[in-house]
Amino acid sequence: DAEITQSPRHKITETGRQVTLACHQTWNHNNMFWYRQDLGHGLRLIHYSYGVQDTNKGEVSDGYSVSRSNTEDLPLTLESAASSQTSVYFCASSVTGGTEAFFGQGTRLTVV
Amino acid sequence: GESVGLHLPTLSVQEGDNSIINCAYSNSASDYFIWYKQESGKGPQFIIDIRSNMDKRQGQRVTVLLNKTVKHLSLQIAATQPGDSAVYFCAEGGAAGNKLTFGGGTRVLVKP
Repeated sequence: DAEITQSPRHKITETGRQVTLACHQTWNHNNMFWYRQDLGHGLRLIHYSYGVQDTNKGEVSDGYSVSRSNTEDLPLTLESAASSQTSVYFCASSVTGGTEAFFGQGTRLTVV
Repeated sequence: GESVGLHLPTLSVQEGDNSIINCAYSNSASDYFIWYKQESGKGPQFIIDIRSNMDKRQGQRVTVLLNKTVKHLSLQIAATQPGDSAVYFCAEGGAAGNKLTFGGGTRVLVKP
């Protein structure tokens, strides 16, 4: 069955380190998204991509970057992790023209 | 899977009663409105969507109402069941498949 997977599921890192969270989908969806979920803020958009080599900044993109070298993957990189980036991160994908976004199970990132 | 213990408005509902979850959206230019359900430890899951040119749409046990005059969206769940206990988010998007802006969420607790 097609799916969207995130790895790792849990990560603890130190302030200042570079961290990459992986997102892989097997639906062949053009659209992919990264959100973070914090207490009191719901889901906020970090970066998104509408296709290979396309990336766009979302609402809270500072300190994050993404790259889209193929359809299946949209890795999220924290260039220099900060305590304010402690959060739960969700990746999602959707087909062009479709309204249903499929979410991964999330990655809990703790920056100490 | 991951979720966070958000400080959310909570709706307590007796099993078998109907639930109504409300959402105020911000962008009058949004073309799609979507409801997501997030169970503990999981990513959000699509429930139902409605396009801006509609005011009502029904699914299985769920109905979404859209009032563009006051920028208000609601989700009605008929005969609420224990499995409906979750956090519910509304989201708005400019076009199908494109990035979404999420509301803060409402926690629904179903009492037996």
